[in-house]
Amino acid sequence: RKEVEQDPGPFNVPEGATVAFNCTYSNSASQSFFWYRQDCRKEPKLLMSVYSSGNEDGRFTAQLNRASQYISLLIRDSKLSDSATYLCVAHAGNNRKLIWGLGTSLAVNP
Amino acid sequence: NAGVTQTPKFRVLKTGQSMTLLCAQDMNHEYMYWYRQDPGMGLRLIHYSVGEGTTAKGEVPDGYNVSRLKKQNFLLGLESAAPSQTSVYFCASTIAGKETQYFGPGTRLLVL
Repeated sequence: RKEVEQDPGPFNVPEGATVAFNCTYSNSASQSFFWYRQDCRKEPKLLMSVYSSGNEDGRFTAQLNRASQYISLLIRDSKLSDSATYLCVAHAGNNRKLIWGLGTSLAVNP
Repeated sequence: NAGVTQTPKFRVLKTGQSMTLLCAQDMNHEYMYWYRQDPGMGLRLIHYSVGEGTTAKGEVPDGYNVSRLKKQNFLLGLESAAPSQTSVYFCASTIAGKETQYFGPGTRLLVL
């Protein structure tokens, strides 16, 4: 079992839809989590950090459930530009190493 | 502010050839990382460095060597390239005490 698991998708949603991704992690010692966004043939870029129960930034909300060891990302009012792969990441706790999920692919359609 | 840059952007090698990938950052970050990304495998850590003159193995270090002679540069070497090393290589850096990693644009390597 991978340390960080995500539903690979793809998620195909119309513009304006609300979409949610879930991610589970196996290392209960992980303290911080992140969502990165990766566009096709580009580098990953930080979308949100999740240190406590959750974080909100505009249309994006990330929530953390430590008891169940999962993190979620909610995107409201989806835009065409939200089409990308979303990577769930857990901090491994030493030397700033990160454990990466395989990503969830999102396609927002007109 | 260039951030993290990688050289070259794309390279084709023949099996057995050697090459060095260069990563440079101008953010004065202490920590630097080399990843490879393959379909279905996600990002895997090859080597990392927590400071100038120090390096450590990551998840998939075999077939690669690294050096961090200057704080701003992190070099990844392939001594004898194999087709299994065909991949996209990303360099990243972060400041001490922070987890957010900043990535370079990647190097696409094809080994024939």
